Amino acid sequence: ILNVEQSPQSLHVQEGDSTNFTCSFPSSNFYALHWYRWETAKSPEALFVMTLNGDEKKKGRISATLNTKEGYSYLYIKGSQPEDSATYLCAFSSGGSQGNLIFGKGTKLSVKP
Amino acid sequence: GAGVSQSPSNKVTEKGKDVELRCDPISGHTALYWYRQRLGQGLEFLIYFQGNSAPDKSGLPSDRFSAERTGESVSTLTIQRTQQEDSAVYLCASSLKGQAWGHGYTFGSGTRLTVV
Repeated sequence: ILNVEQSPQSLHVQEGDSTNFTCSFPSSNFYALHWYRWETAKSPEALFVMTLNGDEKKKGRISATLNTKEGYSYLYIKGSQPEDSATYLCAFSSGGSQGNLIFGKGTKLSVKP
Repeated sequence: GAGVSQSPSNKVTEKGKDVELRCDPISGHTALYWYRQRLGQGLEFLIYFQGNSAPDKSGLPSDRFSAERTGESVSTLTIQRTQQEDSAVYLCASSLKGQAWGHGYTFGSGTRLTVV
């Protein structure tokens, strides 16, 4: 059974703090790692897709890194804002005939003004 | 359409009744996925369509669950004889060709199903 683990489960930070959280995934049969952001009552929104070991992606104040050999990815948020409050999901795919993404349970981030 | 559309957005049903959830994917997206999230749990894969065939329905939790898709268009997820453990947010997503080609998903905003 393929397992994707995210930590911490939840995180409370003050506005302006920088933060990061972890996604660990199987290092064998790796094809891609996806990050999504899911705000309450909205659709999950794609942030990054990473495929190569050592990949780094950035979108504004949010960035992510990928280590496929050891099976982990970090998501960083610099200078958190209240609008960053959301659940951040990572998802693993092994490509090939596997049709679906396997999601972790997410990290719920709350940013206090 | 411009995005993935799901209906209804909320559904409260009595235990034992059947429900039908609808997903309208982005036009031209061949791949369509159903997931659900029960309280305190992660996103749980249910079924994947490529066109109107379902190469992977391994996540359907029981034979009370079924899904179909018309061509590369609308999909319906049907739950028969609903149970309280079926209460969840049911999310639909579509993708241009499927994640196996590196394409991510575009999600709908989900149907919150409550079985009382």
